[in-house]
Amino acid sequence: SYVLTQPPSVSVAPGETAMIACGRDKTGTNGVHWYQQKPGQAPVLVIYYDVDRPSGIPERFSGSYSGNTATLTITRVEAGDEADYYCQVWDSDSGHRVFGGGTKLTVL
Amino acid sequence: EVRLVESGGGLVKPGGSLRLSCAASGFNFNIYYMAWVRQAPGKGLEWVSSISPSTNDIDYADSVKGRFTISRDNAENSLYLQMNSLRAEDTAVYYCAREVGEDIVIVPAAHHFDYWGQGVLASVSS
Repeated sequence: SYVLTQPPSVSVAPGETAMIACGRDKTGTNGVHWYQQKPGQAPVLVIYYDVDRPSGIPERFSGSYSGNTATLTITRVEAGDEADYYCQVWDSDSGHRVFGGGTKLTVL
Repeated sequence: EVRLVESGGGLVKPGGSLRLSCAASGFNFNIYYMAWVRQAPGKGLEWVSSISPSTNDIDYADSVKGRFTISRDNAENSLYLQMNSLRAEDTAVYYCAREVGEDIVIVPAAHHFDYWGQGVLASVSS
């Protein structure tokens, strides 16, 4: 099964750009999806299939993919972006859905 | 408006059982995969189980296989999780989530969770 590795924490000043990486331990063709979870709330899908943004998600949120690493980028970071962010993939070999360990984004 | 409402959580002793329910509304339940995802206190998200619209495709995490059973009632727009032989490490908030399958998007984009319920707490303790 996949292992997805995320940094435990990322800190950024308001107005700056945050980049959160998600490394996968094996090459695959299935996309990486990203979720935002604020304290006490359910997760929200912010990026799916590496780069696609659901309706209602601000354009400040974008995704990219290179090699075995997916990256969530948040531009012009706001205090309200402070949250835990999780990446996720579907392992079609095992049928398992796999989450990364999560990254806590702190807005300084 | 898509709505997912979980129920059935509570406190149970180790070795006991709980049955979680998720009432879905606001979308065509019959064409979506559905899933359970849990989060232990202070920990990250852990996928538990998924079920296809016709129930012919069911998957479980290794940590719950043989103890948990996922099911759905398309006529009632409901998802269930029967949890048996519960352990302390099963203590978590359990989220019901709508999962986008291959019938809706291309395969590489499939199996992400586009809507989530607010979660229900299941506690296992003596």
